[in-house]
Order: sequence, then C-alpha cells, then structure tokens
Amino acid sequence: ETGVTQSPTHLIKTRGQQVTLRCSSQSGHNTVSWYQQALGQGPQFIFQYYREEENGRGNFPPRFSGLQFPNYSSELNVNALELDDSALYLCASSLKLAGYNEQFFGPGTRLTVL
Amino acid sequence: DQQVKQNSPSLSVQEGRISILNCDYTNSMFDYFLWYKKYPAEGPTFLISISSIKDKNEDGRFTVFLNKSAKHLSLHIVPSQPGDSAVYFCAASATMTAGNKLTFGGGTRVLVKP
Repeated sequence: ETGVTQSPTHLIKTRGQQVTLRCSSQSGHNTVSWYQQALGQGPQFIFQYYREEENGRGNFPPRFSGLQFPNYSSELNVNALELDDSALYLCASSLKLAGYNEQFFGPGTRLTVL
Repeated sequence: DQQVKQNSPSLSVQEGRISILNCDYTNSMFDYFLWYKKYPAEGPTFLISISSIKDKNEDGRFTVFLNKSAKHLSLHIVPSQPGDSAVYFCAASATMTAGNKLTFGGGTRVLVKP
C-alpha cells in the first residue's frame, strides 16, 4: 500500500509568481484535503476535494485553487504569491464514508517566497 | 479566532514519567477529536482519537480524556520514551457539518530526556 506522496519537497519562488504543488493520495482513497502550516503554528485547512469537486473551503483567498484528477491525485495552485504564503503545505487523503474519516498526511512541500 | 488552543508550547519530561498534554476548544459543534504527532520533515501521524460520546479512549501507552462541559481534552503518555520527542497537535472535527475538515491547535513540543 503506497502512502501519500507530495512533490516537490522544497520550492523557492519570488513574490508575484505562481506555484503548483502536487499530491498523490493513498491507494483506495477518494478525498484529498490541503493544509497550510506556517512556522510555529498548527496546520490550517485550505480546502478539500472529493470526486473532483471542491467539498469545503477554509478561510483562504481565491488565489488559492485546486484540482482533483480522476485517479484522485490533486494539485494546489497559488497565484500572485505573497511573502506570507511561505509555509509547509500538507496534503491528506482519506476514504469518504459516514462520520469522521481518518486522514493520512503526506510529508509536505516547504514553500519559501522571497 | 482560535477554536482549538494548546496553551503549552513546550513540555520537558524525564524518560519513564508521565507526559500530559492539554487542549481547549471553543466550538460546540466539534464532535470528534484527534491527536497527531509530528517529527521534523514528516507529515503529522495519527496517534489516537475520541468521539464526543466518550470521555476516555486508551491505546497502549496513550490515553485521551475528554471533558465536554469544560471543552477540554488531554493526552497522557505513560511511560514516556525518548522516541516520543516530537511536536504533538490536537485537532477537532465537526463531522455533521464540516466532514473531514480538521481544526488544529498550535502544537506542543515534547522533549523526553533519558
């Protein structure tokens, strides 16, 4: 069973640029959630995708967008990067059933915006 | 508005002794609570969870207690081992309204001294 993988591991961008982060969900999982973890803080929910549709969104501006593909992998896109976007971006996959469904996290992508 | 708070940013404990981590929440809609452990350069790893219909859940060395009236939960680790040194996150979910969305606390860094 393959776990959640994310690419790239690290990324450096400059303010105003655009970035795409990728996530492959765990085998058999149909739901992907993205979280942003700023330094010294807990992860914050960005959004969730289920069956290729956005299924809930946190308090993030529209320049944060995502996609989920038929194989359930996912992308997080951030436009017009700001310095405060520097953070660890975590992807978590789960199998959507009734009630709470355990989420399995990937190792994250460390984004630095200069 | 921080809905989940971990008021102790760090904790140092002797090997073999008990580690007690605390977490407070404000949202009455939260009905499922989890503890995650995170090592550097890795994603959070699920440790233990508790549903709001219970007040205690035990799994080996880890026990989580939930006090709904006080909106407080705690994680007990007995006995503490050097491998337990990590950052621990408390998280909560409102499964009836927000599905799998997790709201995290800011984390507590635990150091277990040999």
